[in-house]
Amino acid sequence: NAGVTQTPKFQVLKTGQSMTLQCAQDMNHEYMSWYRQDPGMGLRLIHYSVGAGITDQGEVPNGYNVSRSTTEDFPLRLLSAAPSQTSVYFCASSYLGAQSGAFFGQGTRLTVV
Amino acid sequence: KNEVEQSPQNLTAQEGEFITINCSYSVGISALHWLQQHPGGGIVSLFMLSSGKKKHGRLIATINIQEKHSSLHITASHPRDSAVYICAVNSNTGNQFYFGTGTSLTVIP
Repeated sequence: NAGVTQTPKFQVLKTGQSMTLQCAQDMNHEYMSWYRQDPGMGLRLIHYSVGAGITDQGEVPNGYNVSRSTTEDFPLRLLSAAPSQTSVYFCASSYLGAQSGAFFGQGTRLTVV
Repeated sequence: KNEVEQSPQNLTAQEGEFITINCSYSVGISALHWLQQHPGGGIVSLFMLSSGKKKHGRLIATINIQEKHSSLHITASHPRDSAVYICAVNSNTGNQFYFGTGTSLTVIP
């Protein structure tokens, strides 16, 4: 039981490049989400999904795409990276509903130059 | 607007001191979480609670639903407790999490 696996741990991109951050969980959680963490701002929700085939926007969705073709995987795509997307990204998963503990990936430190 | 407010933002304590971190929230919740983030960056869930009080070792978390307030206490603090502690709530409408900005704790030997 690996929990939430998030890759890569570090990434440097040039402006305009695209990349995909991978997130996988093996706990059969319905709810998966992506956050970015910036100094002094806490974690902000980018996109989330309540089940396979269902995604929705969070607080800061612009510049990011997601898909949820399976329960296990929830990749985050940056289509054309910008310096403003330099941040630390976290994937999380949980069961839906009350009394639902959250499990976090190890984080991805992304720098866009 | 911040749905979750934490205080203090930064806290320095001597080893052995009793520490309290506070969290207030403004939305209806189904659960509140206390998370710990170490300098390496990983986030670990410490507590999930929706009422009353929970205790794990030297850590105690309490919640007052009526006052929309929670506290995290650390007894007999130790340098290894140095980390950022984040309060987060499960909204009771939509399964979203809202996060506080975190409290950076440094425990000095």
